[in-house]
Amino acid sequence: GAVVSQHPSRVICKSGTSVKIECRSLDFQATTMFWYRQFPKQSLMLMATSNEGSKATYEQGVEKDKFLINHASLTLSTLTVTSAHPEDSSFYICSALPGGEADTQYFGPGTRLTVL
Amino acid sequence: DAKTTQPNSMESNEEEPVHLPCNHSTISGTDYIHWYRQLPSQGPEYVIHGLTSNVNNRMASLAIAEDRKSSTLILHRATLRDAAVYYCILSLIQGAQKLVFGQGTRLTINP
Repeated sequence: GAVVSQHPSRVICKSGTSVKIECRSLDFQATTMFWYRQFPKQSLMLMATSNEGSKATYEQGVEKDKFLINHASLTLSTLTVTSAHPEDSSFYICSALPGGEADTQYFGPGTRLTVL
Repeated sequence: DAKTTQPNSMESNEEEPVHLPCNHSTISGTDYIHWYRQLPSQGPEYVIHGLTSNVNNRMASLAIAEDRKSSTLILHRATLRDAAVYYCILSLIQGAQKLVFGQGTRLTINP
């Protein structure tokens, strides 16, 4: 099956610093990638939809200047949490939608962000 | 987005079948029914999806009601590795679909 990776799997940073999370589709090209956030004991919340070569579409309530998304190639999307604060600590998960196959999203393993 | 309703939790025994229900009374004619599951500290994993007919794959079966207002995910012989949160999600057939996750059903498997 299709594989999506995320890097890093876990990151701890100081308050005020920026953190970049990578999402890669390893064996397929993804025209669309999605970024989700999940707080403990809660469900996944969609943050934004990322299309290759264009600006991301953010969900209501998600600050686009704080969560910078870049989808520069068909296999890579990045999420940068700028000026991170403790309330940004969460489990960040990406998913990728193969081009031409509209039915199934493939999810990455997630990145655990802890902001001290 | 059409909503789904699932029980918060279910419990079953190892090697027994499990039937996970999902209600989606406001489903539209263009909505696929998707099931994903999430093991602890992992990203969601695709399980199965369908439109109108029942579907089978190596992981599970999906039984869809004739009026499409409900569906049931069937794990034929549960193992301890099937313990996870199971999400029933509706999405459009075409286009770059958004998946809106509800709270899902937390399935516990007893040895």
